[in-house]
Amino acid sequence: GAVVSQHPSWVICKSGTSVKIECRSLDFQATTMFWYRQFPKQSLMLMATSNEGSKATYEQGVEKDKFLINHASLTLSTLTVTSAHPEDSSFYICSASGQGGGRYYNEQFFGPGTRLTVL
Amino acid sequence: RKEVEQDPGPFNVPEGATVAFNCTYSNSASQSFFWYRQDCRKEPKLLMSVYSSGNEDGRFTAQLNRASQYISLLIRDSKLSDSATYLCVVSRGAGGTSYGKLTFGQGTILTVHP
Repeated sequence: GAVVSQHPSWVICKSGTSVKIECRSLDFQATTMFWYRQFPKQSLMLMATSNEGSKATYEQGVEKDKFLINHASLTLSTLTVTSAHPEDSSFYICSASGQGGGRYYNEQFFGPGTRLTVL
Repeated sequence: RKEVEQDPGPFNVPEGATVAFNCTYSNSASQSFFWYRQDCRKEPKLLMSVYSSGNEDGRFTAQLNRASQYISLLIRDSKLSDSATYLCVVSRGAGGTSYGKLTFGQGTILTVHP
């Protein structure tokens, strides 16, 4: 299967700072990337969907000015949590689908996640 | 009402037991169905897709009932390594998840003990 990486795997920051999380597809071209958030003991909730070269589509209730998504290339999408607050502490996971090696990947491949703690 | 509902468990079973998980979904426009497995503090991993005809992969059997909007997962001969959270996932996309967003259930926790 295809490989998706995320960086950093965990981050601790002070309230009010901005944090950037990177999501990379390592061996395929990710035409679509998804960003999810998972609070403790809850399920994954989709935050936004991004297609390469286009603006992200945000789910209802997700502030686009607070969670900035950039999908400028076929292998990289970034999520920036601006002016982070303790309530933004969560597990952020990206997934990607696309094509590579002459094959179209019908499945979403998940990154290992980034655990954000805002003090 | 949540779009995808699961019995959260937890299920505590001995090795070798058979365990079944249930899931219901509310959106009749849903077209693709999956079971994912998530280990503690890790990303979810696809366990299997679910088809109307039912499908089996080793010790795992998944069933879909579109009329009842009900999905099930049966695990036979449970192993210690099966301990995880099992996520029922639904998509409105046809033929694959890339065409539609995934909606996750809250997960069912399974613990298999010796």
